[in-house]
Amino acid sequence: DGGITQSPKYLFRKEGQNVTLSCEQNLNHDAMYWYRQDPGQGLRLIYYSQIVNDFQKGDIAEGYSVSREKKESFPLTVTSAQKNPTAFYLCASSSLRRQAYGYTFGSGTRLTVV
Amino acid sequence: AQSVTQLGSHVSVSEGALVLLRCNYSSSVPPYLFWYVQYPNQGLQLLLKYTSAATLVKGINGFEAEFKKSETSFHLTKPSAHMSDAAEYFCAVSVPMDSSYKLIFGSGTRLLVRP
Repeated sequence: DGGITQSPKYLFRKEGQNVTLSCEQNLNHDAMYWYRQDPGQGLRLIYYSQIVNDFQKGDIAEGYSVSREKKESFPLTVTSAQKNPTAFYLCASSSLRRQAYGYTFGSGTRLTVV
Repeated sequence: AQSVTQLGSHVSVSEGALVLLRCNYSSSVPPYLFWYVQYPNQGLQLLLKYTSAATLVKGINGFEAEFKKSETSFHLTKPSAHMSDAAEYFCAVSVPMDSSYKLIFGSGTRLLVRP
């Protein structure tokens, strides 16, 4: 079955460390997105990419970096510059030509700073 | 600017009661509208969507929503709440972006179901 896979489900980071969250999709979707979710704050867009080797900052990109070397993959790195990284991170994908389908979401990665 | 407003960050109902979650949108073009549900520690799952066909849209788990252009609303309802409906619900509107589109999400409504 087609879908979007995020790994790991739980991740622990020490202060000063960079960590990378994986997001892979086999839906042949053009666009991919990263969201951060904090309690009571809904979804906040970190980065998005509409095409391979190109990506755009969202509303809260500081302290994060991404790459899009393959259509299927859009990893997110949480750098040491992100001062408050503890959150739930969601990856999503969509077809740019099928607006009516909306987004497909992964199951999320919960990142905790220890 | 396009936006989505969900009235009420928390809604509490008794099991068997009517569920009504409110969503109002602003859009400069005819919209595509979506409702997503999120269970704890999971991603968002599509409940239903409006794509300019029927104004009353039926989704999964007995939910439905009615698109009312005059009121710019897309409220989500379910006649009888079940304990398993307890989750967070997000309304979203599709808006133009660059040569494509993006979804703008509301801030979410947490549904609590009392036994």
